[in-house]
Amino acid sequence: GDSVTQMEGPVTLSEEAFLTINCTYTATGYPSLFWYVQYPGEGLQLLLKATKADDKGSNKGFEATYRKETTSFHLEKGSVQVSDSAVYFCALRDTGGFKTIFGAGTRLFVKA
Amino acid sequence: EAGVTQFPSHSVIEKGQTVTLRCDPISGHDNLYWYRRVMGKEIKFLLHFVKESKQDESGMPNNRFLAERTGGTYSTLKVQPAELEDSGVYFCASSQGRWTYEQYFGPGTRLTVT
Repeated sequence: GDSVTQMEGPVTLSEEAFLTINCTYTATGYPSLFWYVQYPGEGLQLLLKATKADDKGSNKGFEATYRKETTSFHLEKGSVQVSDSAVYFCALRDTGGFKTIFGAGTRLFVKA
Repeated sequence: EAGVTQFPSHSVIEKGQTVTLRCDPISGHDNLYWYRRVMGKEIKFLLHFVKESKQDESGMPNNRFLAERTGGTYSTLKVQPAELEDSGVYFCASSQGRWTYEQYFGPGTRLTVT
């Protein structure tokens, strides 16, 4: 079945450092890909999405490109802030549907 | 516009007891989903309602879990009797449509079974 694998955390960075969180997926169809973020005490929020190959999703300085050839959707940010500390989830939704399939989440700590 | 709300935010119960989680979706959203994150692992789909009908409950772990959505508004998820492995965070989400619409998630209910 479809699945998502993302790098284990926690990831600890200093403010203004470059961030990459790796995500790869397995899917039989042509899924849409997502990054969700969960800030402390809050619900999951959609951070960005891409619906087809070579699309780039971007939001709040974060970017991810849908790479069909490598089945990847890595999350990047050029300069992280303390306020970016959160848990990040890579996810996909298949072409059928409604069911979102998530990775295990990566916790990010950003130090001042 | 109010987002998806869940109650309680945290519940601690003993093994064998019963717990009922509640989710209020965004007004007007026909689709309601339950997901669960256990032990820091991936968030897993439990089931999907369209209005009051269950469209897919393939992710429900066993018959100790019962989800309802009477009247197509709020939903409850009852665990009876609770087991230790049921501990985790239960998320609810809602959406207007299926494929093209964003799923809006609630803050989750953290369930601890001791």
